[in-house]
Amino acid sequence: ILNVEQSPQSLHVQEGDSTNFTCSFPSSNFYALHWYRWETAKSPEALFVMTLNGDEKKKGRISATLNTKEGYSYLYIKGSQPEDSATYLCAYGNNRLAFGKGNQVVVIP
Amino acid sequence: GAVVSQHPSRVICKSGTSVKIECRSLDFQATTMFWYRQFPKKSLMLMATSNEGSKATYEQGVEKDKFLINHASLTLSTLTVTSAHPEDSSFYICSARSPGLAGGEQFFGPGTRLTVL
Repeated sequence: ILNVEQSPQSLHVQEGDSTNFTCSFPSSNFYALHWYRWETAKSPEALFVMTLNGDEKKKGRISATLNTKEGYSYLYIKGSQPEDSATYLCAYGNNRLAFGKGNQVVVIP
Repeated sequence: GAVVSQHPSRVICKSGTSVKIECRSLDFQATTMFWYRQFPKKSLMLMATSNEGSKATYEQGVEKDKFLINHASLTLSTLTVTSAHPEDSSFYICSARSPGLAGGEQFFGPGTRLTVL
């Protein structure tokens, strides 16, 4: 069983503030790291697929970095907005994804 | 594009009955579909991988006779929980992928909440 850890489990952010959280994963035999955004009662939405050490990807105000040698990825939200409130999942692997428990983000207006 | 639907979204059943959950790729052909389960405060756990036209591959600890998976077409996979018991109560979610779509990324359905009384 692959151990994928996300921290912090939940966080409250004031609107307009920036925030970040961490996903750690096994650093051996790395294939890919996925980030998903999951709003309540909706389907998880793919944000990023990261495959190369040092990868940085950006989608609007959300960006992610990847360090495969030490086994972690950061997700950043710049200038948080209420619509950013969601659970952010990271998953490790290719086909058979191993998920973390998620980072639950609540943006306070 | 790349929309996956699941039906039903919520189901309550009596212990001993069987429940079927459908997963459909609406606008693409899914050669592979995945079924996950999530218990409260836990992460999504992969149950099985199914390829169209062949038998599903189950993860260790998942009973194939308990959780029947059928992937008869490129747009539909079904998960049947047979003789459901209260411990089967969980959130079940599927995903689908196509090799030529978005680099093989998995697209998820919205999930099904199963409660067994």
